[in-house]
Amino acid sequence: DAEITQSPRHKITETGRQVTLACHQTWNHNNMFWYRQDLGHGLRLIHYSYGVQDTNKGEVSDGYSVSRSNTEDLPLTLESAASSQTSVYFCASSDPVGGAGDTQYFGPGTRLTVL
Amino acid sequence: AQSVSQHNHHVILSEAASLELGCNYSYGGTVNLFWYVQYPGQHLQLLLKYFSGDPLVKGIKGFEAEFIKSKFSFNLRKPSVQWSDTAEYFCALRRTYKYIFGTGTRLKVLA
Repeated sequence: DAEITQSPRHKITETGRQVTLACHQTWNHNNMFWYRQDLGHGLRLIHYSYGVQDTNKGEVSDGYSVSRSNTEDLPLTLESAASSQTSVYFCASSDPVGGAGDTQYFGPGTRLTVL
Repeated sequence: AQSVSQHNHHVILSEAASLELGCNYSYGGTVNLFWYVQYPGQHLQLLLKYFSGDPLVKGIKGFEAEFIKSKFSFNLRKPSVQWSDTAEYFCALRRTYKYIFGTGTRLKVLA
C-alpha cells in the first residue's frame, strides 16, 4: 500500500545545529507539504512543493528550508536549530488531479526537541 | 486572509452523548472543507470532506458534517459518541492546493 514515512520519529538536538527531517511518499503525488503542530496553534504550514524543483514558503517558513529533487522526497532542513522550533512536524502529500486526490495524506510525524 | 476558527478547544462528554464541534471559516470563494481526526499517538486521518453538492456530508465512524454557506460554517456531528472517539479534531479549508487548519478541538469521552 502507498504511504508516507517520516524519519526520524524522535530527535533531540542542540541549539545551533543543522537538522534534516526526511519525508518519503510512495503515492506518486506531486504536492507535498510540511507542517508543524503546536498546542494552541493547530497545524501551521512551513513549506510546500507542487512538483520537482518547485518549493514555496508557507506561513512559518523562517529558519526552515526544503528541496525537491524527485517526486518521492521532500526533506525539511533546520539550518540552525532554535528552541522555538521544538515541535511535532508532519509531512503530507496530495495529488492535484481532482476527486479523492484532493485529500491530503499525512505521515506519522517527527517529534523534535531542541535543547 | 482566509482563516478557520474552532471555538471549542476542549470538549468532555460521556459515552452515548451527542457531539457537535463548531467550525467557521472566512473565505469568499468556492470552498472545499475537511475534518481530520488525530487519535492519541497517531497521525491525522481524514474523517470527511465537502467539495460540492449535498451540504450534508457523511464520513467514517458515524460522523457527519453540514456545510451552511450563509453561516460560513462546517460543523461536525455524531449522534452518540464512544470512548474510542477520544481524539483531537481539526477542521480545514482548502484553497488551491494549500490547506488552512483550525487550531483543533480536543475531545475526551468518558466511559
